[in-house]
Amino acid sequence: KAGVTQTPRYLIKTRGQQVTLSCSPISGHRSVSWYQQTPGQGLQFLFEYFSETQRNKGNFPGRFSGRQFSNSRSEMNVSTLELGDSALYLCASSTGTGGSLSSGANVLTFGAGSRLTVL
Amino acid sequence: GNSVTQMEGPVTLSEEAFLTINCTYTATGYPSLFWYVQYPGEGLQLLLKATKADDKGSNKGFEATYRKETTSFHLEKGSVQVSDSAVYFCALSDKAAAGNKLTFGGGTRVLVKP
Repeated sequence: KAGVTQTPRYLIKTRGQQVTLSCSPISGHRSVSWYQQTPGQGLQFLFEYFSETQRNKGNFPGRFSGRQFSNSRSEMNVSTLELGDSALYLCASSTGTGGSLSSGANVLTFGAGSRLTVL
Repeated sequence: GNSVTQMEGPVTLSEEAFLTINCTYTATGYPSLFWYVQYPGEGLQLLLKATKADDKGSNKGFEATYRKETTSFHLEKGSVQVSDSAVYFCALSDKAAAGNKLTFGGGTRVLVKP
């Protein structure tokens, strides 16, 4: 079956612009999470959506936003880009609803990422 | 809050050498533990997982045991290959918390030389 698909794979923007990244989860997966990966900060959680609702949010400014559609596809948006927003943005999907000791491990399947460069 | 600490790299090994990557965690709840691997230019792939104390996760010759008493989840492989060159991430998720948030360690780059 198809994996997690992220588009675009690479993009270059200038400071002050905005960007929208897209993520198509594995069919049947209802949870989509976003992570930012940078050499300095490592992997940081941005937010998670489940059934079109934001369920968790990391410590990022309001310039970072996201949404999920009824088909579970998700987008994240970064407005007023800064140089420090240059990063690999990873999307991950999961079947698990999370939060239950009986559900076992919440296994996330990651996409290849969208590499954003801000000039 | 939750945190994961893993040994800094890079770790440089010769082919067929023994690999150990240390990982310790701090969690307020009762976490599940994971190792993910990232090959150059790619996203993260799940390598193995363990959901409760004394569980051993294993895959592709890699093993890690969930040690609650030492809050550790060290990754081991008995004989590495050049193809194991990658960045390895230890991570946890809090089963008692809603959602699927993962907390990652800083990653350990492994380079295996022929």
